[in-house]
Amino acid sequence: NAGVTQTPKFQVLKTGQSMTLQCAQDMNHEYMSWYRQDPGMGLRLIHYSVGAGITDQGEVPNGYNVSRSTTEDFPLRLLSAAPSQTSVYFCASRGEKLFFGSGTQLSVL
Amino acid sequence: GENVEQHPSTLSVQEGDSAVIKCTYSDSASNYFPWYKQELGKGPQLIIDIRSNVGEKKDQRIAVTLNKTAKHFSLHITETQPEDSAVYFCAASNPHFGNEKLTFGTGTRLTIIP
Repeated sequence: NAGVTQTPKFQVLKTGQSMTLQCAQDMNHEYMSWYRQDPGMGLRLIHYSVGAGITDQGEVPNGYNVSRSTTEDFPLRLLSAAPSQTSVYFCASRGEKLFFGSGTQLSVL
Repeated sequence: GENVEQHPSTLSVQEGDSAVIKCTYSDSASNYFPWYKQELGKGPQLIIDIRSNVGEKKDQRIAVTLNKTAKHFSLHITETQPEDSAVYFCAASNPHFGNEKLTFGTGTRLTIIP
C-alpha cells in the first residue's frame, strides 16, 4: 500500500515554463488536495477535489489548474511558472484522516 | 475565514523533559483540530487529533487539550526523545467549509537536546 505518491521529487523551471506535478493515491479516497509550504507560512491550500469530476479553489489558487478525471489521480498544473511559485508542494488525500505525500520541491528561476 | 496562530516558532528542550506547543484559532465554529509532525524531507504526518466535543485526548507520550471558550488548543509531549525532533503543525477546520479545508498554523521547530 503506497498511500499518496508524488512525482517528481525535485524540479527546476525557468520563468514562463509549464509543468504538471503528479499525485496518485491508492486508498480509494474521494477527497484530494494540493498544498504549498513556504517558510514561516505553514501549509496553504491551493485546490481540492471531493470526487472525480469535481474541483474547487482553496486559499491560493491563482496560477494553478487542477483536474480530477479519476479517483486515483489529481495532477496540479502550472501554466506559466513564476518565481513566486518556488515552494514545496504537497498532495494529500483524506478518508477519515488527511494523509500527505512526500512532497515536490519546485524552484522557478 | 479561519486564522490559526501557533507558538512558539522554535522550541528546544532537554531530552526527557516535556514540550508544549500552543495554537489559537479565530472561528468559533471550527470543530476539528489535528496535529502533524513533519520530519526533514518528508510530508506532514498526523500524530493526534481532537474534536470539539472532547476536552483532552492522549496517546502514549502525546496529548492534546482543547479550550473551546478561549479558542485555543495545545500539544503536550512528555518524556521527550531525540526522535521527537521535527516541525509540528497545528490545524483547524470549520464544518461549514468541510473538514477538508484545514487551516494550518505556521509550525514549531522542536529540537530535543541529548
